Amino acid sequence: DTGVSQNPRHKITKRGQNVTFRCDPISEHNRLYWYRQTLGQGPEFLTYFQNEAQLEKSRLLSDRFSAERPKGSFSTLEIQRTEQGDSAMYLCASSFGNTGELFFGEGSRLTVL
Amino acid sequence: QKEVEQNSGPLSVPEGAIASLNCTYSDRGSQSFFWYRQYSGKSPELIMFIYSNGDKEDGRFTAQLNKASQYVSLLIRDSQPSDSATYLCAVGRGSNYKLTFGKGTLLTVNP
Repeated sequence: DTGVSQNPRHKITKRGQNVTFRCDPISEHNRLYWYRQTLGQGPEFLTYFQNEAQLEKSRLLSDRFSAERPKGSFSTLEIQRTEQGDSAMYLCASSFGNTGELFFGEGSRLTVL
Repeated sequence: QKEVEQNSGPLSVPEGAIASLNCTYSDRGSQSFFWYRQYSGKSPELIMFIYSNGDKEDGRFTAQLNKASQYVSLLIRDSQPSDSATYLCAVGRGSNYKLTFGKGTLLTVNP
C-alpha cells in the first residue's frame, strides 16, 4: 500500500483561474477528508466523504469550492475563480471506520498570483 | 476563545531530556484526542491517540488526558534531534469525522 496520494503536489495559478486537485486514498479506507493548512496554522477541516457521500462541508468552503468522490474511490477538489486568499496547502486524509486516525497525503500546495 | 489551544513555541530541549507539550480544548463534548507530528514541509502523521482519562504510553511517548480540566499533554522521553518537528494536538467529537487542530508547537531538540 502506497498511502494517500495527492496530485499535483504544487500548483501556481493566476487569480481567477480554476484549479483541480486529486486525492487517491488508501484503498480500504472508506472515509476521505479534505483539510486546508496555511503557514503557522493547524489543518482546518473543509469537507468529508463516507464512501461516495459528502456528509459535511465546512462554512470555510465557499460556493467556489466543490468536491466529489465518484464511486467512493478517489476524490477531486475544484476551486473556481481562485483568489489570493485560496493560497494554502490542501491536505487529503483517509481513514477506515469510525476513528480519528487520519492518514494524510503529502498535500497539494496552491499559490495564487 | 480558540477551540484547541497550544503554545506555539518554539520549545527547545537538549537531547536526552523530556519534552512536554500541552494542549487545552474548549468543547466539553470532545471524546477523542490525537497528537500528530509534522516535519517542516511534510504532512501530519499520527503518533498517539487517547480516549480515556489518564496516561497512555507508547515507546518514548506518553499521552495524558484530563477531561475535567480539558487538558491533553504529550511527553517525549529521551528526546532525539529527529523529534524536532511541529506537534499538532487534534480533538474529535462523536463520529470523529471532523478533527479540530491546534496551531501546533514547534519542538527543537538540540544535540
